[in-house]
Order: sequence, then C-alpha cells, then structure tokens
Amino acid sequence: GAGVSQSPRYKVAKRGQDVALRCDPISGHVSLFWYQQALGQGPEFLTYFQNEAQLDKSGLPSDRFFAERPEGSVSTLKIQRTQQEDSAVYLCASSLVARGEAGYTFGSGTRLTVV
Amino acid sequence: AQKITQTQPGMFVQEKEAVTLDCTYDTSDPSYGLFWYKQPSSGEMIFLIYQGSYDQQNATEGRYSLNFQKARKSANLVISASQLGDSAMYFCAMREVLSGNEKLTFGTGTRLTIIP
Repeated sequence: GAGVSQSPRYKVAKRGQDVALRCDPISGHVSLFWYQQALGQGPEFLTYFQNEAQLDKSGLPSDRFFAERPEGSVSTLKIQRTQQEDSAVYLCASSLVARGEAGYTFGSGTRLTVV
Repeated sequence: AQKITQTQPGMFVQEKEAVTLDCTYDTSDPSYGLFWYKQPSSGEMIFLIYQGSYDQQNATEGRYSLNFQKARKSANLVISASQLGDSAMYFCAMREVLSGNEKLTFGTGTRLTIIP
C-alpha cells in the first residue's frame, strides 16, 4: 500500500486478556519501529527491527510485551495479560533506510483501551 | 534531564499569522538529527521538516522553516501564513546518530489552534 497500515484501529480489551496489534509497513521499508503514546504525551519508543532482526527492544515496558517481524515485512506487537496502564495509542513507523533524513512514515495507530 | 523540551502546551494563533513553536534539546552526541511532526486528530504522525546537526543552513519546506540555533540547542518550528488546517498537535523529536540507536525521542508536544 501507499502508507503504513495498522489494525485494528481500535481495540477494547478486558484486563488480563491478550491482544495482538498488527503493522503493515510500506513495501520495501527496512526499518520498523513501535511506539507507545499515552494520552497527552509524546510517543515513547518500544522496539526497533531492521528487516526481521529485532535490534533494540529496550523500550518494552515489561516481559508482557513481545514484538516480532518474522519475514521482515509485517510486524505484530503482542501484549499478554493486559493491564489498565497499557491503555494507549500504539504507533508503528517504517523507514526505507534506518538513517534517512526523510523521517519515518507513521501509521494511524491502534488505540488500546483496557477495561 | 529531558532530551526534548517543548514548553508550550497550547497556542492560539490568528489565521494568516506566523507562529513559532519552541523546542530545546539535550544531547552529548555531536551528530544528531532533529525532526518536527504534525499529529492531527486522526492520529497519524506527519513528517514536516528535518535538520541535521552539521547542516549549515536552516531547513525549509514550503511554509515550514526550522530556526536552528546549535549553541543554544534550540530547534524552533516556524509556520508562516497559518491556515485552519494547521490546527493539530506538533511534536519535536531527535535521533542521536553516533549512539547507534535509531529511535526517535519525542517531546510532549504543543497543541496549536488556528482561529479564523
């Protein structure tokens, strides 16, 4: 597609439920990032892939968070046993080259609400 | 210390006037990049402009320009002739190149409202 596609757009989960968020980057983009944006805040880095390799996962807040990109294209962010503090918008971004100056193309995000 | 500081939580500006959104940053990395993004209510982050730490001239992209003052560690965004469609959240972000970490670090944002 022309842009970064994220699904679902909205997700309501009961506390304790597992969720999976999908990111479809721009075709051919090598780098893929996940960010978490709490209400009224700027995005915070979660994890980074270069092709299928997860090069940095320092931002994942706990071992309940897991991300994968097995074939170097589509990525899934999984959150196990969701908690209320996990409620946020989860943004995915992709880039053709990791250090390009053109910036990263972001998706519209998945708004996760844990009730 | 905050790496990116945006001190204006909200701004109201009359349509067609120019507006400056402030951003200061903190890094010990001599090589870094600074970005501005716009986030409308739809949620996606739209790339506006980029400034590299070694760039000699201030970046410009249409109505957007970046007032880069390296010694003061500031990278303010200037929007000329503001339009109603400019109403959105604006985020300043930094990538530190030599640290080897490709992530962007964002500020807390400024909500800009253009008044007709």
